[in-house]
Amino acid sequence: QKEVEQNSGPLSVPEGAIASLNCTYSDRGSQSFFWYRQYSGKSPELIMSIYSNGDKEDGRFTAQLNKASQYVSLLIRDSQPSDSATYLCAVNGGYSTLTFGKGTMLLVSP
Amino acid sequence: NAGVTQTPKFQVLKTGQSMTLQCAQDMNHNSMYWYRQDPGMGLRLIYYSASEGTTDKGEVPNGYNVSRLNKREFSLRLESAAPSQTSVYFCASSEAGIAVENEQFFGPGTRLTVL
Repeated sequence: QKEVEQNSGPLSVPEGAIASLNCTYSDRGSQSFFWYRQYSGKSPELIMSIYSNGDKEDGRFTAQLNKASQYVSLLIRDSQPSDSATYLCAVNGGYSTLTFGKGTMLLVSP
Repeated sequence: NAGVTQTPKFQVLKTGQSMTLQCAQDMNHNSMYWYRQDPGMGLRLIYYSASEGTTDKGEVPNGYNVSRLNKREFSLRLESAAPSQTSVYFCASSEAGIAVENEQFFGPGTRLTVL
């Protein structure tokens, strides 16, 4: 069974700091990786996708992928209280499906 | 574009009652999905439809049925609701196909309580 593991948190960081969220996955054949943000009571919102080893930057967000270590991370620079949410890591789990981790709760304090 | 829409937003059922959750997308996506999300369990795939005319079981299909009515619509039916089906249900869609990109976009969710 394909698995995606995340630390449930909460991860607490002060405003302006860098938040680092991590995810490991079990299936070496996985090719696509996604980070979703979910505010309490809301639906998941896609914030980053990454398909190749290395870094991908989009504004304050950087996704990092290391397929050899089966490891994906999300860095949030200059964290804001509005970034407080649960972050879900998702990995392609087969034809057209995704396997989600249980999410890491991030708390950014003013 | 409305994206992915779901109805109803909230529902309370008694054990044994049936209901259908509706989902529609206006992004011309090929694939559609139904998930449930429970505290501590994350998002779990119930059923999916890779393309119009096909449906497949996901991780937790027992107690549910689905219908891909057309390319836009994908419904989830609970024939005889049980308290264990109390959950938040999300519908999602993606362009999918054989490409590795499979960004899924979610609807607002249906909060279902079974008494």
